[in-house]
Amino acid sequence: TQLLEQSPQFLSIQEGENLTVYCNSSSVFSSLQWYRQEPGEGPVLLVTVVTGGEVKKLKRLTFQFGDARKDSSLHITAAQPGDTGLYLCAGLGGSNYKLTFGKGTLLTVNP
Amino acid sequence: SQTIHQWPATLVQPVGSPLSLECTVEGTSNPNLYWYRQAAGRGLQLLFYSVGIGQISSEVPQNLSASRPQDRQFILSSKKLLLSDSGFYLCAWTGTYNEQFFGPGTRLTVL
Repeated sequence: TQLLEQSPQFLSIQEGENLTVYCNSSSVFSSLQWYRQEPGEGPVLLVTVVTGGEVKKLKRLTFQFGDARKDSSLHITAAQPGDTGLYLCAGLGGSNYKLTFGKGTLLTVNP
Repeated sequence: SQTIHQWPATLVQPVGSPLSLECTVEGTSNPNLYWYRQAAGRGLQLLFYSVGIGQISSEVPQNLSASRPQDRQFILSSKKLLLSDSGFYLCAWTGTYNEQFFGPGTRLTVL
């Protein structure tokens, strides 16, 4: 069974601070995705990373896929209250049909 | 463009009552479809997935069942609800790169 561990589980910071959340596994994934979910809504895809060592930037968000394709990180620069939400990572492993989801990092950015 | 609908948005049901949640997708054909359950705003548990009409794969033995009577319709059912069936139910379809696009969800409370 493939597992994805996300850390920290909870993060509360002030507006303007930087932060990094992590997604780790002992398994290799062919691709990894990050989603953000707001309360009462479905998760929304932020990015998909495919190549080991890949770095993708989405405005103030930087995503990195580990060289061995077992881990990933999400870095947010100058966090804003609008970044508040549950951040989920998900990996595509042995099955082409199923993603393995982490339990998420609940981020609160205080104004 | 593709859209995904779920209904109802919220549901309160007594223990032992039946359940039917519906998910429909527009703007795509022959999608892979998924049912997830999310407890307390945390990670997603995959319940069922379907790669075509009448084809259902169950991930977790439980009190629920799924059916796919039409290409873009996915139904989650139960004959008798349990308290433990409470949660946020999400339907999703898969894009070209196995990214998941989620519906708005159904909040189920079993009393």
